[in-house]
Amino acid sequence: KNQVEQSPQSLIILEGKNCTLQCNYTVSPFSNLRWYKQDTGRGPVSLTIMTFSENTKSNGRYTATLDADTKQSSLHITASQLSDSASYICVVINTGTASKLTFGTGTRLQVTL
Amino acid sequence: GAGVSQSPRYKVAKRGQDVALRCDPISGHVSLFWYQQALGQGPEFLTYFQNEAQLDKSGLPSDRFFAERPEGSVSTLKIQRTQQEDSAVYLCASIAGSSYNSPLHFGNGTRLTVT
Repeated sequence: KNQVEQSPQSLIILEGKNCTLQCNYTVSPFSNLRWYKQDTGRGPVSLTIMTFSENTKSNGRYTATLDADTKQSSLHITASQLSDSASYICVVINTGTASKLTFGTGTRLQVTL
Repeated sequence: GAGVSQSPRYKVAKRGQDVALRCDPISGHVSLFWYQQALGQGPEFLTYFQNEAQLDKSGLPSDRFFAERPEGSVSTLKIQRTQQEDSAVYLCASIAGSSYNSPLHFGNGTRLTVT
């Protein structure tokens, strides 16, 4: 069964600190991997899209990495801000129809003073 | 419009009532998805449209769930005889083409509470 597992389930860090969120997947065949940020009460917003051949991609203070061999991805947040408090969801797409998106359950990040 | 719009934002229904949830995708977006998100969980796929054609409805949990997109733009998700387990946030998303290399644009969802 295609699965996406994320860790940790939740995380609390101080403002200004860095953090790394993990995503392991068993989706096959693999097309691309996405990280989304979901604020409370809002829909998810795309942060990065990574294809099979990409190892790293940055979007401001967010840097995603992908190891397609070990089927692992990480999202690194640098110099965290209070506004980074949200759920971060890893989504993996397999080849075939676009409807085949498998969502992780997310990591709930809280940035505090 | 500027983004995906969903209405209503909140809906409270008594068990057994029918509800209709509306999604206005970004203008010109070909593909439209419906997802169900339980509290603390990631979105779960319900159904997928390409223009007016419903290409995948494998995620609809029962025959009480029905979705349509008759003119290839606005979509409606209908739930008949609502049950308490239907309580969730229903997210709609659209994508410009049918390619899975483009980002999905999500609406803010409809929070359905069945009492």
